[in-house]
Amino acid sequence: EIVLTQSPTTIAASPGEKVTITCRASSSVSYMYWYQQKSGASPKLWIYDTSKLASGVPNRFSGSGSGTSYSLTINTMETEDAATYYCQQWSSTPPMTFGGGTKLELK
Amino acid sequence: EIQLQESGPGLVKPSQSLSLTCSVTGYTITSGYDWSWIRKFPGNKMEWMGYISYSGSTNYNPSLKSRISITRDTSKNQFFLQLNSVTTEDTATYYCARASYYGYIDYWGQGVMVTVSS
Repeated sequence: EIVLTQSPTTIAASPGEKVTITCRASSSVSYMYWYQQKSGASPKLWIYDTSKLASGVPNRFSGSGSGTSYSLTINTMETEDAATYYCQQWSSTPPMTFGGGTKLELK
Repeated sequence: EIQLQESGPGLVKPSQSLSLTCSVTGYTITSGYDWSWIRKFPGNKMEWMGYISYSGSTNYNPSLKSRISITRDTSKNQFFLQLNSVTTEDTATYYCARASYYGYIDYWGQGVMVTVSS
């Protein structure tokens, strides 16, 4: 099983601040996917194929990475971005696995 | 619009079976994709449990393989989760979801919270 380790676990950011969340895989993966989840709601696909923004995602978000190291970046934090973000991979060997989540709070 | 909706009991006793239904509207589950169950534990850990593909084949998380079964009723466009011999560690919010061929989840149900307690 490929283990995904996210850091930080929690981060607080002020509006306008740049935020980076990292996801490290225990083995190399081809792509990384990211989800945003707000309290009481289901997760939403946020970034797919490592760097492509899902429909409706603001372009202040970006994704990058390869191999075992991936990241999600918010160029300028906005209040609506406060949420928990999860990375996820699906390798040819099951199962699908998720990172432990990063809670992004507004400072 | 594609929608998934979970239903089932919110409380299950230890050692019993947990059974959930996912009703899908807006897409026929035999047309494509993998129809998955994912759970989120208290404390945020998320676990993929398994899926039933559009063709009816199944794939389970090895950690659950002895306890899990995912089936479907194509006439009702529903798929089901059964998890046997539950313990308090199975307390979680359970989501049904559609997984694309590329490996990401593009549609999620709203989730149903299941507590295992006597």
